[in-house]
Amino acid sequence: DQQVKQNSPSLSVQEGRISILNCDYTNSMFDYFLWYKKYPAEGPTFLISISSIKDKNEDGRFTVFLNKSAKHLSLHIVPSQPGDSAVYFCAASNTGNQFYFGTGTSLTVIP
Amino acid sequence: ETGVTQTPRHLVMGMTNKKSLKCEQHLGHNAMYWYKQSAKKPLELMFVYSLEERVENNSVPSRFSPECPNSSHLFLHLHTLQPEDSALYLCASSRGLAGGGRTDTQYFGPGTRLTVL
Repeated sequence: DQQVKQNSPSLSVQEGRISILNCDYTNSMFDYFLWYKKYPAEGPTFLISISSIKDKNEDGRFTVFLNKSAKHLSLHIVPSQPGDSAVYFCAASNTGNQFYFGTGTSLTVIP
Repeated sequence: ETGVTQTPRHLVMGMTNKKSLKCEQHLGHNAMYWYKQSAKKPLELMFVYSLEERVENNSVPSRFSPECPNSSHLFLHLHTLQPEDSALYLCASSRGLAGGGRTDTQYFGPGTRLTVL
């Protein structure tokens, strides 16, 4: 059973607008969450992370929000740029050696 | 060269072949990982190594055999694979293993696209 889910396989956003990518998880023991970005023919690259002791972490145009009660996290990209077009994976860990990944959301930013 | 590199980038093999995937990390990390990504499925962890010792094996079939000769290199030896083993195989490394409330971010290589005929 999948412990991390990204229910939207794709998302299209106009350049300059906000992109919101969502991720849900089932394991309440997860305490560390990450977002990765993947371009075609490349491996995933780390984007931003958040610990369960926080509910928000911001890095430039990227902000991750964590709602522990809803077991939900989201990635906001503002403003969206065409270079942000990629597949975004969320991942979660319970301070173990294993990260559980979602299936990814393909973001297209339209110029 | 920096980061995590993987060779070959693409591999086509028959079910009776033996081949190896290679991963090298130039980040000074102590932990390395093999993941499998099949179409429309999440990344699946296969093996974890810390300081050249295997610490986790997620019920992977024996036709996949990992080898970690040192903390910078990781191999995945393949033999008598099945067509359903066709996937993207990703290597990753991290500074160390998680523990004591710390989780280290994993850095990925570009992957090897494997096709088993």
